[in-house]
Amino acid sequence: EAQVTQNPRYLITVTGKKLTVTCSQNMNHEYMSWYRQDPGLGLRQIYYSMNVEVTDKGDVPEGYKVSRKEKRNFPLILESPSPNQTSLYFCASSSGDRRNSPLHFGNGTRLTVT
Amino acid sequence: GNSVTQMEGPVTLSEEAFLTINCTYTATGYPSLFWYVQYPGEGLQLLLKATKADDKGSNKGFEATYRKETTSFHLEKGSVQVSDSAVYFCALSDGGANSKLTFGKGITLSVRP
Repeated sequence: EAQVTQNPRYLITVTGKKLTVTCSQNMNHEYMSWYRQDPGLGLRQIYYSMNVEVTDKGDVPEGYKVSRKEKRNFPLILESPSPNQTSLYFCASSSGDRRNSPLHFGNGTRLTVT
Repeated sequence: GNSVTQMEGPVTLSEEAFLTINCTYTATGYPSLFWYVQYPGEGLQLLLKATKADDKGSNKGFEATYRKETTSFHLEKGSVQVSDSAVYFCALSDGGANSKLTFGKGITLSVRP
């Protein structure tokens, strides 16, 4: 089954404790992206990757890192989480041009930073 | 920059009622327009799309027409069901280097039996 898999689904952590949210897709998609969803703000892009070893900032990259060493994986790293990073995070992937190819989303990771 | 504006929510309807969710956009060039739906506890999934002016996207009884003159992409359904209860997002992609999706804030639809 074609899917984007994120782990974990739920994560509670404390300020400053490094964490990684994993994302893997099995559709051989070149493009992958991370979004955060906050009430009243919709989804905002954090980082994206056009292909292996190619990553770039989205609209809200501060406090986050990513890497793309393999085509299928695109982990999101919070080196020193802060409470304002409490949010619902989504990983997504697509092939080709986003004008025509839909984004496939994972089921989300709900992060709480205390 | 690009932006998407959705009507304020939430929206509560009775089963079989008519649904309209308004969406307007601001973009350079000729973007593609999308509606995504998010069911409880799940990620977003594409509901329908339109890639050029006057195109009508349709799926699962939902429809939306790309209106360039009014920069709108309103979502409609003639008869909603309880199973349509979800959050609906309007989005656009302008085909730039990132070709990222720009999302509206989303609107929660609740359909009661």
